[in-house]
Amino acid sequence: EAGVTQSPTHLIKTRGQQATLRCSPISGHTSVYWYQQALGLGLQFLLWYDEGEERNRGNFPPRFSGRQFPNYSSELNVNALELEDSALYLCASSLDLGLAGAGQYFGPGTRLLVL
Amino acid sequence: TQLLEQSPQFLSIQEGENLTVYCNSSSVFSSLQWYRQEPGEGPVLLVTVVTGGEVKKLKRLTFQFGDARKDSSLHITAAQPGDTGLYLCAGWASGNNDMRFGAGTRLTVKP
Repeated sequence: EAGVTQSPTHLIKTRGQQATLRCSPISGHTSVYWYQQALGLGLQFLLWYDEGEERNRGNFPPRFSGRQFPNYSSELNVNALELEDSALYLCASSLDLGLAGAGQYFGPGTRLLVL
Repeated sequence: TQLLEQSPQFLSIQEGENLTVYCNSSSVFSSLQWYRQEPGEGPVLLVTVVTGGEVKKLKRLTFQFGDARKDSSLHITAAQPGDTGLYLCAGWASGNNDMRFGAGTRLTVKP
């Protein structure tokens, strides 16, 4: 069974530009989560989508946005890039986390570098 | 905000030693997960615990969920260099659809 996939693996942008990151969940998973992991730091929750709807949002400015498509894949958009947006962006998918034993399955991440 | 505090932040031990990593919060979680992350990769789910007092074993790893579902521990017996990595705990609070990660414990096991 294929795991969570993310593209691109690496992305280099300059300040002020926009970045689009993509994620395909494990087949059958309806929830997709986005996290930011700056170098040496923990995971900061960005967004959670389930069944095409935004369910929760972390403490990030509105220039971080996204969407989930009917096939449950997801896109994260970051507008007006700033230097501090440089980080590893991780996508995870899951079944309903309310189910006993459920957990998140992560992709390999997209490393974004803003120059 | 439901914060998860992990300790220690860094741990460096010799192969064969035992260790315990802790994950604590003042909040109650519906479930708690442990992950291991290697450099440049995404975290890998190790275990999910859901019942207060629950103990799960995965080979040399033993996970425990506190009775009050506010804390958890990960114990590794006879650590091996392959156990080296960043260990993350994450708590799921179903009441507010919130998943929170601790900052992690960076474990190094020297041969």
